Amino acid sequence: ETGVTQSPTHLIKTRGQQVTLRCSSQSGHNTVSWYQQALGQGPQFIFQYYREEENGRGNFPPRFSGLQFPNYSSELNVNALELDDSALYLCASSPEGRGNTGELFFGEGSRLTVL
Amino acid sequence: QKEVEQDPGPLSVPEGAIVSLNCTYSNSAFQYFMWYRQYSRKGPELLMYTYSSGNKEDGRFTAQVDKSSKYISLFIRDSQPSDSATYLCAMSGNSGGYQKVTFGIGTKLQVIP
Repeated sequence: ETGVTQSPTHLIKTRGQQVTLRCSSQSGHNTVSWYQQALGQGPQFIFQYYREEENGRGNFPPRFSGLQFPNYSSELNVNALELDDSALYLCASSPEGRGNTGELFFGEGSRLTVL
Repeated sequence: QKEVEQDPGPLSVPEGAIVSLNCTYSNSAFQYFMWYRQYSRKGPELLMYTYSSGNKEDGRFTAQVDKSSKYISLFIRDSQPSDSATYLCAMSGNSGGYQKVTFGIGTKLQVIP
C-alpha cells in the first residue's frame, strides 16, 4: 500500500511569487487535507477536499487555493508569497468515512522557504 | 485563549522512564482525540485515537481522556531513545459540516540512553 507522497520536498521562492505543491493520497483515501506547520508550531488547518469539492477551510486568505482531482490527488497553490508563508506544508489523506474523525495519514511535507 | 494548550517542553527523561504528556482544551464540541508523533523533518504519524472518556492502551502507550476536565494525556511506559520525537495532541469536532482537526503546539521529548 502506497502512503501519501508530496512534491517537491524542498523549494525556495521569493516574495510575490506563486507556488504549487502536489500530493498523492494513500490508496483508497478520498479525503485530502492541507496543513501549514511553521517552525516550532503545530499544524494549522488550511482546507479539506472531499470528492473534488472543498468542504472545509481554516483561517487562511484566498491566495491559498487548492484542487482535488478525480484520482484524489491534490494541489495547493499559494499566490503572492509572503515571508510568513515559509513553513512545512503537510498533506494528509483519510479513508472514506474517517476524514470526519481526525484520523489523518500525513505525507513527509514540502518545506517552503520564501526569501 | 487557544483552543488547545500543550506545553512545548522540551522534556528530557532517562531511558526506561514513564513519560506523561498532556493537553487541555476549551472547545466542548471536540469529540475525537488523537496523539501524533513527529520525528524531525518528517510528517506526523498517528499514534493513538480515542472517541470517549477513559483509557485506551496500545503496547507501551496509553491515551487518557477526561472530557469533564477537558484534559487528555499520553503515557509512554519503558521509554526508549527511539521515542525521542515531538508529540502532538489533536482534537476534532464538527465545524460547519465537516470535522475540523485542531493541533496542539507539540511537546518535544528526548529519551536519554
